Amino acid sequence: GQQLNQSPQSMFIQEGEDVSMNCTSSSIFNTWLWYKQDPGEGPVLLIALYKAGELTSNGRLTAQFGITRKDSFLNISASIPSDVGIYFCAGQLDSNYQLIWGAGTKLIIKP
Amino acid sequence: DGGITQSPKYLFRKEGQNVTLSCEQNLNHDAMYWYRQDPGQGLRLIYYSQIVNDFQKGDIAEGYSVSREKKESFPLTVTSAQKNPTAFYLCASSIGGELFFGSGTQLSVL
Repeated sequence: GQQLNQSPQSMFIQEGEDVSMNCTSSSIFNTWLWYKQDPGEGPVLLIALYKAGELTSNGRLTAQFGITRKDSFLNISASIPSDVGIYFCAGQLDSNYQLIWGAGTKLIIKP
Repeated sequence: DGGITQSPKYLFRKEGQNVTLSCEQNLNHDAMYWYRQDPGQGLRLIYYSQIVNDFQKGDIAEGYSVSREKKESFPLTVTSAQKNPTAFYLCASSIGGELFFGSGTQLSVL
């Protein structure tokens, strides 16, 4: 099946640093979703985006729906230890199609 | 509490055995999904159901079967035809485009 290109694959960061990750596609999407997965658990929805150019925040998290509708970005400000985990993007072509998933960005805090 | 309940959390399968993973939701969602996740990988869709008594194959349906007799329940059977069943299995339900996940079942082969 089709996948989104999500990068980076993993990130080592210091506590307090800002984090950026993104997803790109060759297809135009009408929905972008960002999820976080803790080890041994199911993904939890962080932010949902429905309009090109939309910028949405959830606490220290901010996500944007790219203006071309082919990409999306997630930023985390002032990272803390509980931010570790795997972040997934997912896009939907339209309501008749299933979600297409990125491979994930693993966030690791440097000791 | 509204949510999605998967059971068991851990499951072991012997060679040639069929096993069934349970998924129940009380969110009143019409659509339900099963995904497979391998270590370091993203999510791959096995089956989905948009309404009771109807379901469709996803990208990797071979070796799996499902039923949707009730709105609340969407069990997944991993059959003996699935030669590499060891993985983390996630059930989800949705309203609109947003999926809500259970806490997963880790299936391993003895």
